[in-house]
Amino acid sequence: ILNVEQSPQSLHVQEGDSTNFTCSFPSSNFYALHWYRWETAKSPEALFVMTLNGDEKKKGRISATLNTKEGYSYLYIKGSQPEDSATYLCAFVERNQGGKLIFGQGTELSVKP
Amino acid sequence: DTAVSQTPKYLVTQMGNDKSIKCEQNLGHDTMYWYKQDSKKFLKIMFSYNNKELIINETVPNRFSPKSPDKAHLNLHINSLELGDSAVYFCASSQGWQNYGYTFGSGTRLTVV
Repeated sequence: ILNVEQSPQSLHVQEGDSTNFTCSFPSSNFYALHWYRWETAKSPEALFVMTLNGDEKKKGRISATLNTKEGYSYLYIKGSQPEDSATYLCAFVERNQGGKLIFGQGTELSVKP
Repeated sequence: DTAVSQTPKYLVTQMGNDKSIKCEQNLGHDTMYWYKQDSKKFLKIMFSYNNKELIINETVPNRFSPKSPDKAHLNLHINSLELGDSAVYFCASSQGWQNYGYTFGSGTRLTVV
């Protein structure tokens, strides 16, 4: 059974704080790593898809890095805003498995004004 | 203009009934998926279709049967509903599976009483 683990499970920060979360995944048979943002009562929304070791992606104040050899990815949010409050999910794609996403349990971020 | 739409949004039904959840995407994507959000809020894949061909069939009870009449639709039919089937079911689509994020529907909350 493949495990994708995210930490912390929840995080409470003040507006303006910068924060980061970790996603750990199997380092063998890696194909891709996805990050999603999931606001309450909405659908998960794709943030990044990363495939190469050392990949760094950025979207506004959010960025992500990837280390496939050691099996981890970091998601960073610079200057958190209340609208960043959501659950952030990572998902691992194993090679030759038809694109099946194996999700972590998510990191729930709450940003207080 | 909803990209991935699921109907119904809520479904309350009695044990033993047969029900269907419909999913349609207007993005022109080749691949569609059904995910189930379990009691611990993990998203777990159930099925995946690529251009109407079943490519992923996880170990779900055979009471669950997906049907894809064309690549824009992937419906989920559930026979003989059980209490344990109560969950939120998400449909998603992607343009292939290699390097693209999924677009999720808003979910269908199924409650079996």
